[in-house]
Amino acid sequence: KQEVTQIPAALSVPEGENLVLNCSFTDSAIYNLQWFRQDPGKGLTSLLLIQSSQREQTSGRLNASLDKSSGRSTLYIAASQPGDSATYLCAAYNTDKLIFGTGTRLQVFP
Amino acid sequence: EAGVTQSPTHLIKTRGQQATLRCSPISGHTSVYWYQQALGLGLQFLLWYDEGEERNRGNFPPRFSGRQFPNYSSELNVNALELEDSALYLCASSRYRGDSVKNIQYFGAGTRLSVL
Repeated sequence: KQEVTQIPAALSVPEGENLVLNCSFTDSAIYNLQWFRQDPGKGLTSLLLIQSSQREQTSGRLNASLDKSSGRSTLYIAASQPGDSATYLCAAYNTDKLIFGTGTRLQVFP
Repeated sequence: EAGVTQSPTHLIKTRGQQATLRCSPISGHTSVYWYQQALGLGLQFLLWYDEGEERNRGNFPPRFSGRQFPNYSSELNVNALELEDSALYLCASSRYRGDSVKNIQYFGAGTRLSVL
């Protein structure tokens, strides 16, 4: 049974710091891995999707990597801003559904 | 191109009632997924419909059910509502067609169900 864990559970940093959010999964037989952002009480915003054959994806200040053999993905946020404050979720694609991680709650203060 | 749309945005019910949530997928998508995010719990897979049939369901009781219509829209029904059913319900769609690698899910904004 696939389990997805995210570390740390919560993070509070001053503006400008570079951040690394970690995601680990127990079953390496995943197809794709996706990172989402969720603001309080809101739905999901897709940030980056790493397909099975890829090792990383970049969008602006965000970079996500995927190492299926070790069961890990990392989301790197460069030069963090207060507007980055949100919960970040990783999700592993099994054959027929997404398995979501436990989330990292990020707060960036000015 | 319109994204995944869900209605209503908010729904308030009392314990024991039934709730119906609706989802319209992106045009061309044949698969619809439902997920539940209860307070203090993570996002959990609820149901998957593809081409009008239920393909898989998560670890939820039978009072959670749904269907997919010929136009691929879907509704989720929750019978005999309990307080712990209060949650954000998210719908996603994809063009599955049997290809798991290309099965990328796109999410709606969600329906917040409150059971009083």
